[in-house]
Formats: sequence, structure tokens, C-alpha cells
Amino acid sequence: KAGVTQTPRYLIKTRGQQVTLSCSPISGHRSVSWYQQTPGQGLQFLFEYFSETQRNKGNFPGRFSGRQFSNSRSEMNVSTLELGDSALYLCASSPDPANTEAFFGQGTRLTVV
Amino acid sequence: GQNIDQPTEMTATEGAIVQINCTYQTSGFNGLFWYQQHAGEAPTFLSYNVLDGLEEKGRFSSFLSRSKGYSYLLLKELQMKDSASYLCAVSPDRGSTLGRLYFGRGTQLTVWP
Repeated sequence: KAGVTQTPRYLIKTRGQQVTLSCSPISGHRSVSWYQQTPGQGLQFLFEYFSETQRNKGNFPGRFSGRQFSNSRSEMNVSTLELGDSALYLCASSPDPANTEAFFGQGTRLTVV
Repeated sequence: GQNIDQPTEMTATEGAIVQINCTYQTSGFNGLFWYQQHAGEAPTFLSYNVLDGLEEKGRFSSFLSRSKGYSYLLLKELQMKDSASYLCAVSPDRGSTLGRLYFGRGTQLTVWP
């Protein structure tokens, strides 16, 4: 059974650009959550999606957006990139939001220069 | 706001026992998770507590006191491979255990030979 797949693994962008990150959950999992991980702030919640609906959103500016497709794959988009957006972006999937075990992907390392 | 505190660093010797503490103050409580994260890798699930008491799983045990807003992760018979960051996370939402997690900044454990 394949794990959570995030693409790309590494990305370098310049300030002002936008970026789209992709997450393919484990087959059969319909719940996807996104987190930003930085050395200073640790893991911070970005979004939660279940069955194509955003259930929760973290305390991030509107430049951060996301969506989930009918096959449960999810994307997040960051527009007008800032240096502070440099981070590891992690996606976690679970069968449904009430499940107690989430599986994390390897993450996308975004560097903004 | 949400506040989850854990020590930044701990060290221990191979074969020893170590206890990593976590205190939390959150708007709601629907369970507490412990994750392990090796450098450059995805977090992996260790334990979930929703009721007071001790949950044992092999060399790892996790304890929860909801009235005190306190948890600890106990690692026995430490091995070199246990050197990693240990993340405490709280789920605040009923009916959405994994949808939105609030993480502590992690405790970096170093195991010496």
C-alpha cells in the first residue's frame, strides 16, 4: 500500500511568485490536512479537507489556499511568496477526520529567495 | 489561543529510561497525540490518549491527565535509533480527531552510547 505522496519534494522560488504543492493521500483515505513546519514555530495547522470540503482553516493569511479533488488528492497554493514562507509543508491523510491515526507524507521543502 | 509546551532538548544514555513532558491549554480537547520525527523524515504516529491514564505500547508508554492538562511520553530501554524529535499534539475538535492538530515545538532527544 503506497504511503502519502507529496510533490515536488524540493522547490526554490523567488519572492512574489506563487507555488502549488500536491498531496496524494493513501488509497481510501478521504481526509487530508496540511501543516507548515519551521524551526521557529514548529508544526502549524494550515487546512483540513474531507470529501472535497474545507472543514477547518488555520491562522494563515489569505495568500494560502487549498482544495481537494474528488479522488481525495489535495493541492495547496501560496501566492505572492515571502521569505518567511520558506518551510517544510507536510500533508497528512487519514480515512476520515474521526480516525486517530494520521499518516504524514515526506513533505515539500520550499525555499523562497 | 492554543498553548502546548514541551522541553526543547533532552539527552539520555542507551538502555536508560526517559520521560518527555507536555503541558497544554487549548480551547477544546479531543485527544492528545505523540509523534516521532527523525531528521529529514515525516512524523510517525506513536500514541493517542483521550482518557486519563497510561497507555503502554512496547517500549513506549504515554500518560494523560486531562484535569492537569498534562501528558508524558515514557521511553524505556533507549536505543540509539530513538534519537529524534518527539512532538506532542492536541486535537481540540469533537468529531474531528485528526482534522486539526495543535503541535508543541518538539523535544529533540539525543541518545548517547
